[in-house]
Amino acid sequence: QKEVEQNSGPLSVPEGAIASLNCTYSDRGSQSFFWYRQYSGKSPELIMFIYSNGDKEDGRFTAQLNKASQYVSLLIRDSQPSDSATYLCAVQLLTGFQKLVFGTGTRLLVSP
Amino acid sequence: EAGVAQSPRYKIIEKRQSVAFWCNPISGHATLYWYQQILGQGPKLLIQFQNNGVVDDSQLPKDRFSAERLKGVDSTLKIQPAKLEDSAVYLCASSLGGGFSSTDTQYFGPGTRLTVL
Repeated sequence: QKEVEQNSGPLSVPEGAIASLNCTYSDRGSQSFFWYRQYSGKSPELIMFIYSNGDKEDGRFTAQLNKASQYVSLLIRDSQPSDSATYLCAVQLLTGFQKLVFGTGTRLLVSP
Repeated sequence: EAGVAQSPRYKIIEKRQSVAFWCNPISGHATLYWYQQILGQGPKLLIQFQNNGVVDDSQLPKDRFSAERLKGVDSTLKIQPAKLEDSAVYLCASSLGGGFSSTDTQYFGPGTRLTVL
C-alpha cells in the first residue's frame, strides 16, 4: 500500500463548478497535511495545510481532514480555467524530521 | 523576498557522465531539501539538511548520488555516474526549519530538468 494515494485523473469540471480532490494516507500517526498545486513544467506551490480534523477554508479553497478515515480532501469552489493543474497531496509523517511524503497528484481540467 | 534559486534549469548528459546541481535557499531558511520528481509522479525526498547537517538521506542512492551543504547555506547535488532512470526534475526546497513546527512550509525552487541519454 502506498503511503499517500491520489487518483491520477484527469478530473474534468466545467467553469464555475466545485472540484473535489481526494487523498488517502496509510500512516495513522501522520500529523499535518498539505495541498500543493503544480502547473505543467513548474514547481509545486503551497495552497494550504491542515492538521486538525474538520474543515479549513481559504478563499475558494477548503481542505477537509478526517483522521479516523485517514482521508483528506481539497474542494475548489467556482473553479476557473486557471485552476487547471496537478494537485499534490503531501503528508507529514510522524517519524522523520518534518519529512513530507507526496502522492502522485491529481490532474484537474477546468473547461470554459 | 527572493525565492529558492536553482541552476542549471536544464541539463542533458549521456549515461555514465557526471552532473551537479546547485541550490540557494531563501535567506534565513535553516532546512534545505532535495527532491526527485519523475514524470507523472510526486516529488520524492532524496536528502534533507538542517543547517549543514544531514537529517534524512534514507532515499538517496548513495552509490551514485551525493550532496553537501557547506556553511549551512548553498547546496550541491551530484550524480556520478548517471543512469537513464535518473532522468527527472530535481527540485530544491527550503523551509524556515527549527524542527518545532509541524506545519513548516516548504518553498520550492524552479527545478532542474535532467535528461540522461
